Amino acid sequence: AQSVTQLDSQVPVFEEAPVELRCNYSSSVSVYLFWYVQYPNQGLQLLLKYLSGSTLVKGINGFEAEFNKSQTSFHLRKPSVHISDTAEYFCAVRNTGTASKLTFGTGTRLQVTL
Amino acid sequence: GAGVSQSPSNKVTEKGKDVELRCDPISGHTALYWYRQSLGQGLEFLIYFQGNSAPDKSGLPSDRFSAERTGGSVSTLTIQRTQQEDSAVYLCASSLGTGEWYSNQPQHFGDGTRLSIL
Repeated sequence: AQSVTQLDSQVPVFEEAPVELRCNYSSSVSVYLFWYVQYPNQGLQLLLKYLSGSTLVKGINGFEAEFNKSQTSFHLRKPSVHISDTAEYFCAVRNTGTASKLTFGTGTRLQVTL
Repeated sequence: GAGVSQSPSNKVTEKGKDVELRCDPISGHTALYWYRQSLGQGLEFLIYFQGNSAPDKSGLPSDRFSAERTGGSVSTLTIQRTQQEDSAVYLCASSLGTGEWYSNQPQHFGDGTRLSIL
């Protein structure tokens, strides 16, 4: 069984400030890790993924995430946010052995203001 | 190229009616997934298809829910005798394939069908 915990349901931040969205996971098997973003009335868009290799992965829109195996974390960061980054962000995991379902966290609402 | 297409985008129906939701995956994607997004439950997996078969339907909440896929392409999710707790956004996703060879492939999502049961 797997689970994903996103500790913050909402994160308010001022424009041009840095942000970190936290994600921790639990799994008895190896997993791949993903971050998705959801804008209002839209589906989920892939931001970035960790498969193997370098633990720091870079994604679209200036986001990056770092995989920490010992802490079972995959936190998402951006050094300077924009108003347009306001959205819901979901962390997800999937077994490495098969391309089946994603298990999602409950999401973090990032609210960027001037 | 075209992404995952879902229809209708919005559906309002009365309690007790049956509804059909449609998903048209990205061309060439053999794997197709259905998820449900609701306020109380977050994003939940319902079922996935590899080709026309469904190896994992463990997330279907009751026998009122069924899904099929024909021709390895379009899928329909059917909810019979709808209840108010079925109100949610139903998301479809597709990916190149399943199995270990494709396990690192991301899932691409449609914009969803927002289902409201009166």
